Amino acid sequence: GDSVTQMEGPVTLSEEACLTINCTYTATGYPSLFWYVQYPGEGLQLLLKATKADDKGSNKGFEATYRKETTSFHLEKGSVQVSDSAVYFCALSWYAGSQGNLIFGKGTKLSVKP
Amino acid sequence: GAVVSQHPSRVICKSGTSVKIECRSLDFQATTMFWYRQFPKKSLMLMATSNEGSKATYEQGVEKDKFLINHASLTLSTLTVTSAHPEDSSFYICSARDGGVQETQYFGPGTRLLVL
Repeated sequence: GDSVTQMEGPVTLSEEACLTINCTYTATGYPSLFWYVQYPGEGLQLLLKATKADDKGSNKGFEATYRKETTSFHLEKGSVQVSDSAVYFCALSWYAGSQGNLIFGKGTKLSVKP
Repeated sequence: GAVVSQHPSRVICKSGTSVKIECRSLDFQATTMFWYRQFPKKSLMLMATSNEGSKATYEQGVEKDKFLINHASLTLSTLTVTSAHPEDSSFYICSARDGGVQETQYFGPGTRLLVL
């Protein structure tokens, strides 16, 4: 069945360091791909998404490109801040928006030190 | 943005008792709500989808008689874990779809259940 695999955490970085969180998916076809972020004590929030191959999603300095050749959707940020400390979830859906069933990865905890 | 709350945030109960978890959409009407379960270091797993005024649709392997879901209004869905056992201990997360903005699903902060 469909699945999402993302890199194990936790990831600890210094402020202004570069971030990459790997995410790959297994699916028959081309689903929509999402990154969600969960800040401490809060619910998951949609960070960015891409609905078709070669699309790039971006928000708050984060980017991810939908690569069908490698079935990947890696999350990147050039310079992280302490406020980016959170758990990041990669997910896929067969709906273009996030209104339907989501299949999540295990989540990657990011800690950014000042 | 839209807010979804869950209550309680944390609950400890004895084996054999039932626990009710509430999920509320605070500033929008949710025609559809989802219930997820998350084990430690595991993905969020969809348990069921509930539509206001109708029976919930459960995912394969989820016992509908054990996890009772009620979506009686456009702002409230409840999950009742009946006759809880230690293996039901987990993190339960709800989400709500904004009926007016079709492409958005908002998540609650989750409820930590520990069954002793």
